[in-house]
Amino acid sequence: GENVEQHPSTLSVQEGDSAVIKCTYSDSASNYFPWYKQELGKGPQLIIDIRSNVGEKKDQRIAVTLNKTAKHFSLHITETQPEDSAVYFCAASTLNTGNQFYFGTGTSLTVIP
Amino acid sequence: KAGVTQTPRYLIKTRGQQVTLSCSPISGHRSVSWYQQTPGQGLQFLFEYFSETQRNKGNFPGRFSGRQFSNSRSEMNVSTLELGDSALYLCASSLNRAGTEAFFGQGTRLTVV
Repeated sequence: GENVEQHPSTLSVQEGDSAVIKCTYSDSASNYFPWYKQELGKGPQLIIDIRSNVGEKKDQRIAVTLNKTAKHFSLHITETQPEDSAVYFCAASTLNTGNQFYFGTGTSLTVIP
Repeated sequence: KAGVTQTPRYLIKTRGQQVTLSCSPISGHRSVSWYQQTPGQGLQFLFEYFSETQRNKGNFPGRFSGRQFSNSRSEMNVSTLELGDSALYLCASSLNRAGTEAFFGQGTRLTVV
């Protein structure tokens, strides 16, 4: 089955700096890669996703890049704010298998004011 | 538009008992999946339903089961509870068969004593 690895497990940045979280996957059949943000006591919130036919996608301060050849994808958050502090999860799935996601182990991001 | 609703939010059960958790997807969403989240194992896929049919099942024992009703609402059941079943159980729904743009509920926190 698919194996998704995520690094780093913890990340602290100063407010205004950028944060980068990296994930690798093992199954070349995976073609959909969502990122989720989970705040304490809440369920994961979809923040951005990318399909394998796209190399990069941006949404305001958040961007995701995908390298299919190397089987890795990354989340980039620019101009970080204290409210960005949360646990971030990457995931991989194969379209047509529905919501069967394989999740990374999570990155706890702390933005220091 | 209401999000994914899971009930109850918190549950305490005794070893050996059984439990039923409920999930109401976003209106119009036909795909529902369930995940178990624990500090040690992270987010693990349990099963996924589309139009009342179970399409995928994760690597969990047969004590874990689920179903989906004609209105897309879903339930999962855990029989003969074990201490290790203590976890946050999350439900996600998406509009389409492919499973993209999946939205999670806040989860049900199950504690087995």
